Amino acid sequence: AQSVAQPEDQVNVAEGNPLTVKCTYSVSGNPYLFWYVQYPNRGLQFLLKYITGDNLVKGSYGFEAEFNKSQTSFHLKKPSALVSDSALYFCAVRDTFSGTYKYIFGTGTRLKVLA
Amino acid sequence: ETGVTQSPTHLIKTRGQQVTLRCSSQSGHNTVSWYQQALGQGPQFIFQYYREEENGRGNFPPRFSGLQFPNYSSELNVNALELDDSALYLCASSGGLGQPQHFGDGTRLSIL
Repeated sequence: AQSVAQPEDQVNVAEGNPLTVKCTYSVSGNPYLFWYVQYPNRGLQFLLKYITGDNLVKGSYGFEAEFNKSQTSFHLKKPSALVSDSALYFCAVRDTFSGTYKYIFGTGTRLKVLA
Repeated sequence: ETGVTQSPTHLIKTRGQQVTLRCSSQSGHNTVSWYQQALGQGPQFIFQYYREEENGRGNFPPRFSGLQFPNYSSELNVNALELDDSALYLCASSGGLGQPQHFGDGTRLSIL
């Protein structure tokens, strides 16, 4: 079965410091991976995706993610955190078996950036 | 370009009632997927509609049903509401199967 895991419920980081939000995946075949951010009482906002190509993917708002096939990871990173980055972050993999291409989400990581 | 819009934003129902949630897909999108996000959880796939036909279903009982209309807007219907149905219901549209999904802001459903 395809799945993603986000091992940290919460990540705290000081403003201006680099941040990493972890994600590991389990898929058969080539993974299609995504990161979304969710602010309170809002839907999911797309940050970035990996389909093929460079292992370092650049996305919105200064975020990037590193795809590591050997470690089956797709960690989200940002060189310098902002207080406004505080939100709930979801990693997702696209299902490639059912014909729906539905997204399978992790349980989310709450990022708290401290001023 | 109009994004995905969902209505209503909030809804309160009691156990046993029925509810209909609505989603207008982004312009040019013919595929709509519905997800349930319980508190503290990631979104879970309910079902998907592609060109007015159901194209797959997650692990949800038959009392969760849906429709897609010729303009590709969609409805999610839930009968015999249970307390555990309390969640944020998200609609996502895409320009076709396998295309990136764009999410609406969701409908927050509370069951008393």
